[in-house]
Amino acid sequence: KQEVTQIPAALSVPEGENLVLNCSFTDSAIYNLQWFRQDPGKGLTSLLLIQSSQREQTSGRLNASLDKSSGRSTLYIAASQPGDSATYLCADRYGGATNKLIFGTGTLLAVQP
Amino acid sequence: NAGVMQNPRHLVRRRGQEARLRCSPVKGHSHVYWYRQLPEEGLKFMVYLQKENIIDESGMPKERFSAEFPKEGPSILRIQQVVRGDSAAYFCASSPPGGEKLFFGSGTQLSVL
Repeated sequence: KQEVTQIPAALSVPEGENLVLNCSFTDSAIYNLQWFRQDPGKGLTSLLLIQSSQREQTSGRLNASLDKSSGRSTLYIAASQPGDSATYLCADRYGGATNKLIFGTGTLLAVQP
Repeated sequence: NAGVMQNPRHLVRRRGQEARLRCSPVKGHSHVYWYRQLPEEGLKFMVYLQKENIIDESGMPKERFSAEFPKEGPSILRIQQVVRGDSAAYFCASSPPGGEKLFFGSGTQLSVL
């Protein structure tokens, strides 16, 4: 059974700092891995999607990496801003043809101005 | 270009009543997914539907819960005889055929009194 874990559960940093969020999964047989952002009372916004054959994806100040052999993914946020404050979720598409995602429990990020 | 629309945003029911949650996918998307986020827990997959077909309902409780995605109109998640443990945020997501990225709605917060 696939399990997805995110560490830390919560993180508070001063504005401008670079930071790394971690995601680990127990079974490396994944199709892809996605990082989402969830704001309070709102839905999820997809940030980055990494295919199982890829090592990383970049979008603006965000960079996500994937290491299937170790069962890990990281989300790197450069030059953090207060507007980055949200819960960040990783999810992998695992097992079968359906787009069924297994989510981690998230990291709550607070960027202090 | 409207995204995934869910209504109502908030739904309050008393124990034993029925709850109907609606989801209109992104225009052109024929695949719909329902996820549930219980308090202090991550998002859990419930059901995956295509037009007029249930493809995977492995995450849905066997009793009281049902889902449909008719040829015309929104997808409906129906919960009969609600109990307090059903209180959660219910998210709908959609994707086009063959699409790997899911687009999420803002969710319906169900509160059972």
